[in-house]
Amino acid sequence: DAKTTQPNSMESNEEEPVHLPCNHSTISGTDYIHWYRQLPSQGPEYVIHGLTSNVNNRMASLAIAEDRKSSTLILHRATLRDAAVYYCIAQQASNTGKLIFGQGTTLQVKP
Amino acid sequence: DTGVSQNPRHKITKRGQNVTFRCDPISEHNRLYWYRQTLGQGPEFLTYFQNEAQLEKSRLLSDRFSAERPKGSFSTLEIQRTEQGDSAMYLCASSLSTENTEAFFGQGTRLTVV
Repeated sequence: DAKTTQPNSMESNEEEPVHLPCNHSTISGTDYIHWYRQLPSQGPEYVIHGLTSNVNNRMASLAIAEDRKSSTLILHRATLRDAAVYYCIAQQASNTGKLIFGQGTTLQVKP
Repeated sequence: DTGVSQNPRHKITKRGQNVTFRCDPISEHNRLYWYRQTLGQGPEFLTYFQNEAQLEKSRLLSDRFSAERPKGSFSTLEIQRTEQGDSAMYLCASSLSTENTEAFFGQGTRLTVV
C-alpha cells in the first residue's frame, strides 16, 4: 500500500467547513483512497472512499486531485462530535481488505 | 445485529499470565481482522481471516500470539506469557469480501499488563 502523509493536527470552529489534506504521491493507478476516523475511546469508523472521481456521502465529501497524488476530506459543517483522529489510507484494490493506518490528523473543533 | 462486539472491554493482567479476547463480527461478514493500537499511534494490522482460514499474519504477531476463528463466526486472540509491551488496545474489525468494502470496527479490548 502507498504511503500517505497528513498533518498531525488541525483546528476548526464549529459549523465551519473543514478541509483535511492527504498526500499520497506514490499511489498506484488501482489504489483506492479510504478515510476512517476514530473518536475518543472508540474503534475507527469508515467515512468515505474513492478512486478518481470526487465522492459525496452523508458524512463528508472526498476531493481527489487529477493526478491522484493528493486528496482532501471535506466536512461541510463541523460539529463538536466531529472531533476525532482522521486517517487517510491508500489501499490496493487486490488487497485482502487490511488497512494500513498512519498517525492521522487530530481534528479539534472549537465551539 | 448491533455491530462488532468485543469482550472484555478492559483486561488487567500480571506479566507472564495468558489472556484471551473474543470478537463477534457482524453475522454476514466473512472477513475478520485483528489490529493493535498503542497510545498516540494508528492501529497496526495483526492478522486476517477469510471465513475460518487465517490467510495473513503480520510480523508483529509473535509466537506468543495466536488467533482462531473455528467456525468462521467469532474469533479469539490469545496472548501467552504476557509482557508489559503487550499493553495496548486490541481492535477487531469485520467486512464483506467484496472489493473495497468498508470495515466495521469493534470498540476494542484495552489490555494492561502490570
